[in-house]
Amino acid sequence: DVQMTQSPATLSASVGDRVSITCRASQNIYTSLAWYQQKPGKAPNLLIYKASFSQRGAPSRFSGSGSVTEFTLTISSLQVDDFATYYCQQYNSFPYTFGQGTKLEIK
Amino acid sequence: QIQLVQSGADVKKPGASMKVSCKASGYIFTDYYIHWVRQAPGQGLEWMGWMNPNSGDTNSAQKFQGGVTMTRDTSVSTAYMELSGLKSDDTAVYYCAKSKLRIGLTHLPFFDYWGQGVLVAVSS
Repeated sequence: DVQMTQSPATLSASVGDRVSITCRASQNIYTSLAWYQQKPGKAPNLLIYKASFSQRGAPSRFSGSGSVTEFTLTISSLQVDDFATYYCQQYNSFPYTFGQGTKLEIK
Repeated sequence: QIQLVQSGADVKKPGASMKVSCKASGYIFTDYYIHWVRQAPGQGLEWMGWMNPNSGDTNSAQKFQGGVTMTRDTSVSTAYMELSGLKSDDTAVYYCAKSKLRIGLTHLPFFDYWGQGVLVAVSS
């Protein structure tokens, strides 16, 4: 199985900050990567697919980059609504696997 | 608008089976794969399997093979996931999710709509 490793596990930041979350794959997944945001008690919400394509309705401050084994989700200017847990997911190889999550907290 | 509405929470005893439903609306049910993902309390997301609502074809992660059954009733646009031989570590919120891309295109399993999730607790 492809292992997805996110870092950091927890990130403390302030409103207005620019933050980045990294996701590393244990093997080449090309650009077959999605990012989701999850708030407590809610289902995940798709933000980015194909590593850098924004899902319709996702705020423009969210962007994705990367390929092969290293990927980044960047939030250009944190808003209060962005404090949540973020997951990457690879869909290049079966079974489709998620990272362990990055919790974004208010500093 | 597109919605996936799942059945209610449940408590099961070890060894029992559970069956979760996922009713789709706002799109053509047979045009998009349905996937199942679970999340143990305080833990991350775990992909379980997919079903093609048009053909009924399914596939699941190896750890669930032999224990999970995915079915559908196209007349009511509803997908079902049954998990047998429950253990305490099957306690989780179970989500259904719709693939973004239509069946017939390359199957790229990422998910643009999710059900609200159903908590299934396994306890004696």
